[in-house]
Amino acid sequence: AQSVTQPDIHITVSEGASLELRCNYSYGATPYLFWYVQSPGQGLQLLLKYFSGDTLVQGIKGFEAEFKRSQSSFNLRKPSVHWSDAAEYFCAVAPGDNNAGNMLTFGGGTRLMVKP
Amino acid sequence: GEEVAQTPKHLVRGEGQKAKLYCAPIKGHSYVFWYQQVLKNEFKFLISFQNENVFDETGMPKERFSAKCLPNSPCSLEIQATKLEDSAVYFCASSPGRGYQETQYFGPGTRLLVL
Repeated sequence: AQSVTQPDIHITVSEGASLELRCNYSYGATPYLFWYVQSPGQGLQLLLKYFSGDTLVQGIKGFEAEFKRSQSSFNLRKPSVHWSDAAEYFCAVAPGDNNAGNMLTFGGGTRLMVKP
Repeated sequence: GEEVAQTPKHLVRGEGQKAKLYCAPIKGHSYVFWYQQVLKNEFKFLISFQNENVFDETGMPKERFSAKCLPNSPCSLEIQATKLEDSAVYFCASSPGRGYQETQYFGPGTRLLVL
């Protein structure tokens, strides 16, 4: 069974600073990988996803993530954080078996706080 | 529609009462998923549907939880005889299909409070 670990429960960065949120997964093959963001009281918005191909994927809101097979990681990055980026970020995986209907397995989330 | 719709937004029930939640997937999406988000942000998969057929129900507490996706109707998740530990946010997601189309799009959630 797959599992996802987000080692950082909370991260605080200053506005304008760079950001990296860590995600490590455990799965026997290459999974499909996702990052979602959840603002307070809101649902989950998809930031970006990796299925195959280029290991550096670009997402919305200036986010990017890099898949590193050797490290079983899919870390999320942003070069310059804005105050509106304060939210909870979730990494998720699904089996990369090209079958539909697979459930997502989520990490525990990282709460991002942005200092003015 | 272009977004997953969930109703109601909030639901309060006394312990032992029934709760029913609804989800309208994005038009054209074949798969519907239900997840439960409890305190500390833990997401638990409950059940998935392929059109009106149950696809995976390994996460469902079967003694009190049931779900349906009927043609031309919103999907529903029903909890009979709610318990305090059912208090959570219930998210519905839909996806178009397999492979690259497997991305799940989430609704805003229904916050259930059992008193």
